[in-house]
Amino acid sequence: QITLKESGPTVVKPTQTLTLTCDFSGFSLNTGGVGVGWLRQPPGKALECLAVIYWDDTKRYSSSLKSRLTITKDTSKNHVVLTMTNMDPVDTATYFCAHLDRRSGGYSAFDYWGQGALVTVSS
Amino acid sequence: DIQMTQSPSSLSASVGDRVTIFCRASQSIGNYLNWYQQKPGKAPRLLIYAASSLQSGVPSRLSGSGSGTEFSLTISSLQPEDFATYYCQQSYISPLTFGGGTKVEI
Repeated sequence: QITLKESGPTVVKPTQTLTLTCDFSGFSLNTGGVGVGWLRQPPGKALECLAVIYWDDTKRYSSSLKSRLTITKDTSKNHVVLTMTNMDPVDTATYFCAHLDRRSGGYSAFDYWGQGALVTVSS
Repeated sequence: DIQMTQSPSSLSASVGDRVTIFCRASQSIGNYLNWYQQKPGKAPRLLIYAASSLQSGVPSRLSGSGSGTEFSLTISSLQPEDFATYYCQQSYISPLTFGGGTKVEI
């Protein structure tokens, strides 16, 4: 059974750095084809994929946020960490982590999600 | 980046209706297209991957079709639990991108 859970601060001040941790179980990030992504959703708005880290340590970032994001993994601890620098009130959102499964034919999809963590940026 | 555009942004329907939601990619993505359902306060749920493959546990009244730049999600007979927001997402190339969502409401 695959589970993921996000943790981190609920409130950060503008200009601060946000650090979020995704603790997962039921799979290994050493397994070929597997990835973990961080996504976010501002209140009432659409989903946005921020970053994905793959089993081989390949990292992919949102084009618009690339300069502010870092994603890392610790396979011994079964967690993935996202840092986002220079936080702004527009970054207020629910942040999700999700398991990215690569299926036959090379297709991939986010098939398991954490419950999400609301982060508010406010002074 | 590949832009994903969904239409309509919202629709009103009744139980038993046949509903179709559309998704357009800004460039050809083959059939690297996923559909998700999201209910208020919940994480998204994967419904369909590879444009038309049903995720395990998803009812067969949902179906997906399309390739290239034009895709659709159809619910053949809307049920009360189907009232939600639906998102398409391309998995063709990074960065992975989502459509703006379609809210299906009564």
